Amino acid sequence: NAGVTQTPKFQVLKTGQSMTLQCAQDMNHEYMSWYRQDPGMGLRLIHYSVGAGITDQGEVPNGYNVSRSTTEDFPLRLLSAAPSQTSVYFCASSKVHSGANVLTFGAGSRLTVL
Amino acid sequence: DAKTTQPPSMDCAEGRAANLPCNHSTISGNEYVYWYRQIHSQGPQYIIHGLKNNETNEMASLIITEDRKSSTLILPHATLRDTAVYYCIVRVGSGAGSYQLTFGKGTKLSVIP
Repeated sequence: NAGVTQTPKFQVLKTGQSMTLQCAQDMNHEYMSWYRQDPGMGLRLIHYSVGAGITDQGEVPNGYNVSRSTTEDFPLRLLSAAPSQTSVYFCASSKVHSGANVLTFGAGSRLTVL
Repeated sequence: DAKTTQPPSMDCAEGRAANLPCNHSTISGNEYVYWYRQIHSQGPQYIIHGLKNNETNEMASLIITEDRKSSTLILPHATLRDTAVYYCIVRVGSGAGSYQLTFGKGTKLSVIP
């Protein structure tokens, strides 16, 4: 199993450009989520999905869009990139195991906005 | 949300047990204790979780005190590959709140040859 696959691993954008970070999982997990990690700030939740066709906002959703048309894929779209969106982005999929939500993370996508 | 307190760093000799403490004195009855770790800038890796009882899996053991105000993650035979930042997180079991993972600063574990 590949687990959670994120592409691209690295990306440099100019301010105002748009792009999509891809996330795919092959574990048939219902739940998927996106986080950003900034130095010294830990992970912050951007958006999450509890199933195909269902998404919801997390702590820092502004400037990002998501959709969930299939169980496997959960792309994150940056509409108009800003330097404040320079960060490392992690996608996770999860299932409820023994009553708890256990997340499996991808390797991350490092984004720099100039 | 329950806050957790962890020591900023610890050293452990290779082959010995690593015992990582976590205080969560404000934990509520429906909140689980999760442990994740992050090696360099890789994605966080799930280790173990528990509610009330002690838990063990192939990676580690989790000891939760009877009053649930603190816990200890035990890596029974630490290797150099266990060098990482370890995060203790307290969250509700499921639902929207279970996604809000606040990793904080964690404990930087250094395994020494």
